[in-house]
Amino acid sequence: SYVLTQPPSVSVAPGKTARITCGGNNIGSKSVHWYQQKPGQAPVLVIYYDSDRPSGIPERFSGSNSGNTATLTISRVEAGDEADYYCQVWDSSSDLYVFGTGTKVTVL
Amino acid sequence: QVQLVQSGAEVKKPGSSVKVSCKASGGTFSSYTISWVRQAPGQGLEWMGRIIPILGIANYAQKFQGRVTITADKSTSTAYMELSSLRSEDTAVYYCARDRGPYSGSHDDAFDIWGQGTMVTVSS
Repeated sequence: SYVLTQPPSVSVAPGKTARITCGGNNIGSKSVHWYQQKPGQAPVLVIYYDSDRPSGIPERFSGSNSGNTATLTISRVEAGDEADYYCQVWDSSSDLYVFGTGTKVTVL
Repeated sequence: QVQLVQSGAEVKKPGSSVKVSCKASGGTFSSYTISWVRQAPGQGLEWMGRIIPILGIANYAQKFQGRVTITADKSTSTAYMELSSLRSEDTAVYYCARDRGPYSGSHDDAFDIWGQGTMVTVSS
């Protein structure tokens, strides 16, 4: 089955840039979505179709996808960005929605 | 503004079944795929299955085949997820989530609206 691998944790100082990777076999050929989840809350969509931002999501959030790695970038990180982040794709060969292992972003 | 409102927390015995509801308010229901995703305590997200209400078609992750049934009542804009033969490993928060766009024949859209989650505890 298709596997998406994320680093367990990323630490970043306020005002700096956080980059969260999502590795998968030829993930560049798939559409990648990113979710932010704060403790005790439902996930929130922050990036869809690799790099599109839903309304209400700050421009500080951006995404890219190529080759075997997709990346979520959070610029000018704020304390409120501290959360778990998950990438997600639909694997058409198995008709299965796959989530990444999740990355905890800590703002120092 | 569309909202998905789920039923309340459940405590179940091993071997029993649980049925969780997900009611959509404020928008169109039938044209949008509804998925069910669960999250065990301290763990990641796991997709269980989906339903396309306008077609009445449900599909399930192989892991849950035979144990999960997802249905939808268009008249009340409500989706349901029933999980049977419960075991302790099924203890989790169960979410419903709606596709960002109406069903168009593909399933690669994102989940842009999520229910608040329903905690299901399986314990003897």
